[in-house]
Amino acid sequence: DAMVIQNPRYQVTQFGKPVTLSCSQTLNHNVMYWYQQKSSQAPKLLFHYYDKDFNNEADTPDNFQSRRPNTSFCFLDIRSPGLGDAAMYLCATGDRSRDTQYFGPGTRLTVL
Amino acid sequence: AQKITQTQPGMFVQEKEAVTLDCTYDTSDQSYGLFWYKQPSSGEMIFLIYQGSYDEQNATEGRYSLNFQKARKSANLVISASQLGDSAMYFCAMREGNDRGSTLGRLYFGRGTQLTVWP
Repeated sequence: DAMVIQNPRYQVTQFGKPVTLSCSQTLNHNVMYWYQQKSSQAPKLLFHYYDKDFNNEADTPDNFQSRRPNTSFCFLDIRSPGLGDAAMYLCATGDRSRDTQYFGPGTRLTVL
Repeated sequence: AQKITQTQPGMFVQEKEAVTLDCTYDTSDQSYGLFWYKQPSSGEMIFLIYQGSYDEQNATEGRYSLNFQKARKSANLVISASQLGDSAMYFCAMREGNDRGSTLGRLYFGRGTQLTVWP
């Protein structure tokens, strides 16, 4: 059974058109993360939530926002996507007992 | 300086053979965690194995084992009896933090090693 679910798996948007990516989890983990992974690169952390506490990485552009309305769901909003924002976006949840992060399947974003 | 270094952009191994993927790390923290993830072409990051800095035994999970050499700051992944389905990108990652078990810290990833298993 899927534990970290991301929708959609593939998203195409136009330059400058806002887009929202969603992530849900059935693990009841209190930490959720969003990573950006560009082609042939390592994942880069954008931000994370500990419960409702939002933690932004210093170099995450203002163009990226996030919402976490409840434990299960977390959204990534890209207000004005540029061509450079085309990437795989990975959501992960944190498990304190095993000290690891579990990733979803990712959403591959294409910007036209 | 890079936190995680994976020096092998690509590795090739024949089916049923063992392969070692290299990873070195850089941290001044006493408490940290080391992870290996597998990423097939579909994009999902699959957790493979974890080693805590205080763990005295090398971690093992089925065909995966982590060769942890703390003094050398290396955490190599060993895959025994390779299978065709093992072909994927493999990432080494580290979580720093003084709070053992904390998941609040970010994961630092290496650039990855593309493993190809041939018949």
